[in-house]
Amino acid sequence: ETGVTQSPTHLIKTRGQQVTLRCSSQSGHNTVSWYQQALGQGPQFIFQYYREEENGRGNFPPRFSGLQFPNYSSELNVNALELDDSALYLCASSQPGQGSNEQFFGPGTRLTVL
Amino acid sequence: AQSVTQLGSHVSVSEGALVLLRCNYSSSVPPYLFWYVQYPNQGLQLLLKYTSAATLVKGINGFEAEFKKSETSFHLTKPSAHMSDAAEYFCAVSALLGAQKLVFGQGTRLTINP
Repeated sequence: ETGVTQSPTHLIKTRGQQVTLRCSSQSGHNTVSWYQQALGQGPQFIFQYYREEENGRGNFPPRFSGLQFPNYSSELNVNALELDDSALYLCASSQPGQGSNEQFFGPGTRLTVL
Repeated sequence: AQSVTQLGSHVSVSEGALVLLRCNYSSSVPPYLFWYVQYPNQGLQLLLKYTSAATLVKGINGFEAEFKKSETSFHLTKPSAHMSDAAEYFCAVSALLGAQKLVFGQGTRLTINP
């Protein structure tokens, strides 16, 4: 069973640029959630995708957008990068109906905005 | 709205001593509760979860947590700390219904002294 994978591992961008982060869900999971973890903080929910549709969104501006593909992999896109977007971005996959809402996390992508 | 409060951003114990990490939650209905561990530069690993079955939940690496509805608490304990337990620990809550988002606490950094 393949776990959740994310790419790239690290990324450095400058303010105003755009970035795309990628996530492959665990085998058998059709739901992907994205979280932002700023340094020294707990993860904050960005949004969730279920069967290619957005299924809930946290308090993040529209320049944070996402996609889910038919194979349930997902992308997180951030436009007009700001310094405060520097963080660890975590992807988690899950399968509804398992009775626990347990989410399985990938290793994360460390984004640095200069 | 759901929320999680972790009391103590930093806990330090001696090797072999009891580990107690505190978590209080706020939820309008009985939730699912989780403890995750994060080692440096890694993603989140599930330690244990409460899903309305037994109130005392046993997890990996000798950790356990007790759900106390009257106190809205879900504290994490381990009888004897190991050096390898040094990490960041996050308590999280999720609603039974709706989007499966996790709401995390701010985290507690556990340091083990030799």
